[in-house]
Amino acid sequence: DAGVIQSPRHEVTEMGQEVTLRCKPISGHNSLFWYRQTMMRGLELLIYFNNNVPIDDSGMPEDRFSAKMPNASFSTLKIQPSEPRDSAVYFCASSLWGADTEAFFGQGTRLTVV
Amino acid sequence: AQTVTQSQPEMSVQEAETVTLSCTYDTSESDYYLFWYKQPPSRQMILVIRQEAYKQQNATENRFSVNFQKAAKSFSLKISDSQLGDAAMYFCAYRGYGNKLVFGAGTILRVKS
Repeated sequence: DAGVIQSPRHEVTEMGQEVTLRCKPISGHNSLFWYRQTMMRGLELLIYFNNNVPIDDSGMPEDRFSAKMPNASFSTLKIQPSEPRDSAVYFCASSLWGADTEAFFGQGTRLTVV
Repeated sequence: AQTVTQSQPEMSVQEAETVTLSCTYDTSESDYYLFWYKQPPSRQMILVIRQEAYKQQNATENRFSVNFQKAAKSFSLKISDSQLGDAAMYFCAYRGYGNKLVFGAGTILRVKS
């Protein structure tokens, strides 16, 4: 398996534009997580899905952020409109269901909003 | 809500020496798992070690070991015989049976030669 695949690796956009980040989890994994990493706040959990259903989105910072998982092999995180303070590295991770299971991370998307 | 706290933003260690990274967490659950992940400059996240809360024995993986104190809700990582390749950001993480995986803010580890 190729691991968790995120695209794009880098994104530079202007303030006010819509940004869509994409994630393909490892085949067979039924849990998917979206994180945002900044120096100030570390690795923040934004939202997670079990069996394609959003379970906890309490970490989503504002209504400008939304996430979907239309099927087991694809998820998106959308920011509309984007702001400079959204600049960060966004990670997607997937795992099997279970507290003991290892979460596997994608390489992340570095988002810069200018 | 479960929270994870890493109080050391940055640590340094001399090559071949031992270093301990601290982590505390808060939860009302009785069973859960704790993890340490390593993030080198490549941004890749690598699982270092995991510990089940019901196991009293501290987990060990080669040069990496943990000191798990359940009553104190403390989960520190000890790296023995530090190597230059250990330099990275280290994250402590909590996962309960609701499947939520929560991380601390991270500790940057620098290894001096």
